[in-house]
Amino acid sequence: QIQLVQSGAEVRKPGASVKVSCKVAGYSLIFLSMHWVRQAPGKGLEWVGGFEAEEGKKIYAQNFQGRVIMTEDTSTDTAYMELSSLRSDDAAVYYCTSQITGSGSYYGGLDSWGQGTQVIVSS
Amino acid sequence: DVVMTQSPLSLPVTPGESASISCRSSQSLLHRNGYNYLDWYLQKPGQSPQLLVYLGSIRAAGVPDRFSGSGSGTDFTLKISRVEAEDVGVYYCMQALQPPRSFGQGTRLGIK
Repeated sequence: QIQLVQSGAEVRKPGASVKVSCKVAGYSLIFLSMHWVRQAPGKGLEWVGGFEAEEGKKIYAQNFQGRVIMTEDTSTDTAYMELSSLRSDDAAVYYCTSQITGSGSYYGGLDSWGQGTQVIVSS
Repeated sequence: DVVMTQSPLSLPVTPGESASISCRSSQSLLHRNGYNYLDWYLQKPGQSPQLLVYLGSIRAAGVPDRFSGSGSGTDFTLKISRVEAEDVGVYYCMQALQPPRSFGQGTRLGIK
């Protein structure tokens, strides 16, 4: 069973950066495609970006292009999402989520989710 | 970008009755492999989202058979038969065919 364990809550000032980690347990990160989804207070789910196997690359939502970087450390099975130039409307819970990367056009849904990391942006 | 539209946004249900949620996409979600790249997720109160259905109609591991997904192209439905108290939460559809992925607004299911 895949478990995703995220880092704790963060408080940042506007204009600063934040880096959230997501440790994979029970599976190897090299066989997973990682994605990040956020949820502002009282709002719905918003896809931030992730690795699209059929494209063979990471793709970021337009809202975050130029401000977000997603990386992986396969030696520690940990994924990271760094968001810079934080604004007040970036305050949200950020979830890492994964799908198994199969061959060809295999797709099995985002079947594992982290517990979420709250990011507070306040001056 | 693909826009996902769910209805209704709020759905009060009597336990034991059935419920249906509609999800429409602005573009077809039919992949060349014949599958529709449409997922359903449930976010229970205070929890992370969980996968219910992927590829339009395939239940994820451990999901009760009371949940069923159907549809093709641009029109999809999640049906919950014999609703139970534990089914309370917000249901989201998400398209995974065309990046950027996109979610519907969410449908809040409550118990009458």
